Amino acid sequence: DQQVKQNSPSLSVQEGRISILNCDYTNSMFDYFLWYKKYPAEGPTFLISISSIKDKNEDGRFTVFLNKSAKHLSLHIVPSQPGDSAVYFCAASPTGNQFYFGTGTSLTVIP
Amino acid sequence: DAGITQSPRYKITETGRQVTLMCHQTWSHSYMFWYRQDLGHGLRLIYYSAAADITDKGEVPDGYVVSRSKTENFPLTLESATRSQTSVYFCASNSLSGGLDEQYFGPGTRLTVT
Repeated sequence: DQQVKQNSPSLSVQEGRISILNCDYTNSMFDYFLWYKKYPAEGPTFLISISSIKDKNEDGRFTVFLNKSAKHLSLHIVPSQPGDSAVYFCAASPTGNQFYFGTGTSLTVIP
Repeated sequence: DAGITQSPRYKITETGRQVTLMCHQTWSHSYMFWYRQDLGHGLRLIYYSAAADITDKGEVPDGYVVSRSKTENFPLTLESATRSQTSVYFCASNSLSGGLDEQYFGPGTRLTVT
């Protein structure tokens, strides 16, 4: 049973606009969340993280929001750039070591 | 090469054959992980290791064997490959023992079982 869900398999956004990627989880024990970015034929690379004691973490154009009561997190990319086109995975962990990944959302930023 | 490497990058094998995927990291990270990526499932953890000679099962361990005799190496063996094990396999590592730390991934091995 998928404990971390990304219900949108794909998303297209115009360059310069905001991209919002969503992630839902079911396990209330999860207390650490990450977003990874993956290009074709490469391994995922870490993008941004948030712990359950926070509801927002920002790093440049990337912001992650956590809503613990709704068991929902989102990644905002502003402004979106063509180089952001990739598959984005969210991941969650109860321990910091064993991570559960979502199925991924393929983002296309249109120039 | 610095970082985390996987070999081979591509492998085709036949059903029933044994195949070993290699993973090597140069950071002396204590934790190492094996994932498989499949459409509709994302990344699923197969096995992980907290240190040399310490391994534990993840979500989908059946049909796989791991070992970790040295900190830097974490091979994954399919003892008798099946078509359902056709997948892309990623190795990862992180440094903090029980701490909150992102994982660093290798480039992946695409395995096809015919």
